[in-house]
Amino acid sequence: AQSVTQPDIHITVSEGASLELRCNYSYGATPYLFWYVQSPGQGLQLLLKYFSGDTLVQGIKGFEAEFKRSQSSFNLRKPSVHWSDAAEYFCAVIFGNEKLTFGTGTRLTIIP
Amino acid sequence: EAQVTQNPRYLITVTGKKLTVTCSQNMNHEYMSWYRQDPGLGLRQIYYSMNVEVTDKGDVPEGYKVSRKEKRNFPLILESPSPNQTSLYFCASSFGPGGGSPLHFGNGTRLTVT
Repeated sequence: AQSVTQPDIHITVSEGASLELRCNYSYGATPYLFWYVQSPGQGLQLLLKYFSGDTLVQGIKGFEAEFKRSQSSFNLRKPSVHWSDAAEYFCAVIFGNEKLTFGTGTRLTIIP
Repeated sequence: EAQVTQNPRYLITVTGKKLTVTCSQNMNHEYMSWYRQDPGLGLRQIYYSMNVEVTDKGDVPEGYKVSRKEKRNFPLILESPSPNQTSLYFCASSFGPGGGSPLHFGNGTRLTVT
């Protein structure tokens, strides 16, 4: 069955530390992959997306993500987090039916 | 400013009292969609619309209705709300359902049904 998984419900990191949020999918081919961020009280905003080509994609706000076909993963990274990065992050996938399927989200807390 | 506007932001109602959540976009998008967000479940699609007068069910359509009489508006209607519809609702729009055009989200409507 097609699915997208975010294994971490909640992650806490110190300001200035590096960040990696995990996303895995189950699908027989390469889907379209996205990361969205939801700041408190707001809707979701697209951080970056991957369709094909270079497996390391750059997004807004200093984020990047790497597609690894062998691991069916699309992990989001940032070298140094800022307090304003505290938010909920959603991985999303479009499988063959063109419907966007969201993961369950990872809540990021930043400590000073 | 390009945006998706939902109203109201907060709504408390009682079981069985019909309500409508409005959604309007000013980007001339063909595709519009409604999601509900629940803890531990992420966002689940309720209904979507590919264009005026074209709507279809998403993953969790039971208890909801939508209409798309104009391109810019896509209201969500709960004819007889129940407590299990207490949730955070988001409207979103884009030029198309595929990944080529990113989804633009409204700021959400928090609905409580008692």
